[in-house]
Amino acid sequence: KNEVEQSPQNLTAQEGEFITINCSYSVGISALHWLQQHPGGGIVSLFMLSSGKKKHGRLIATINIQEKHSSLHITASHPRDSAVYICAPYNTDKLIFGTGTRLQVFP
Amino acid sequence: GAVVSQHPSWVICKSGTSVKIECRSLDFQATTMFWYRQFPKQSLMLMATSNEGSKATYEQGVEKDKFLINHASLTLSTLTVTSAHPEDSSFYICSARQGLTKNIQYFGAGTRLSVL
Repeated sequence: KNEVEQSPQNLTAQEGEFITINCSYSVGISALHWLQQHPGGGIVSLFMLSSGKKKHGRLIATINIQEKHSSLHITASHPRDSAVYICAPYNTDKLIFGTGTRLQVFP
Repeated sequence: GAVVSQHPSWVICKSGTSVKIECRSLDFQATTMFWYRQFPKQSLMLMATSNEGSKATYEQGVEKDKFLINHASLTLSTLTVTSAHPEDSSFYICSARQGLTKNIQYFGAGTRLSVL
């Protein structure tokens, strides 16, 4: 079993839909990154959080340390949100990467 | 936000040659840099952790003599793939971390290596 599980693996949506991507992990962590990887490969860190909730524009990330679970939400999704979203918890000073969720948003 | 520049973004080389990839932190001092490899449709895999002025720490299964890492300054780390073979073809990504903000990593744009 992977230490980091993301669901769903693939997700398609119509423009404007509310998107939720879930991440569960089995190891103890100090913090967790949500990353966005575009088709060209470049990676952008969307959030780093260790408790509660963070919001940036249309993106919201939440984490429940006790339940070892984090979610990434995208409100009013747009085709430019199409990318792979990766959950990456910090464990023993290293990032552990989930397999990613491939999101496609159609106009 | 902090910027990490990775160069080149794409390289093709012949089997047996060596390829050097650079990772620079442009507006901060990176005490630690990480090198990752990603195969198509797979997750990132940590290859090694590089601390400025000291030897890199390689993950299990990564050949240190094949993947030479140098972190000679607080803004530059290099990864050299020596005697490259087609199976080394992959996407290589670096990230950098400031000393005081241990949980935040800034990623380079990646280097796509194709070995013919």
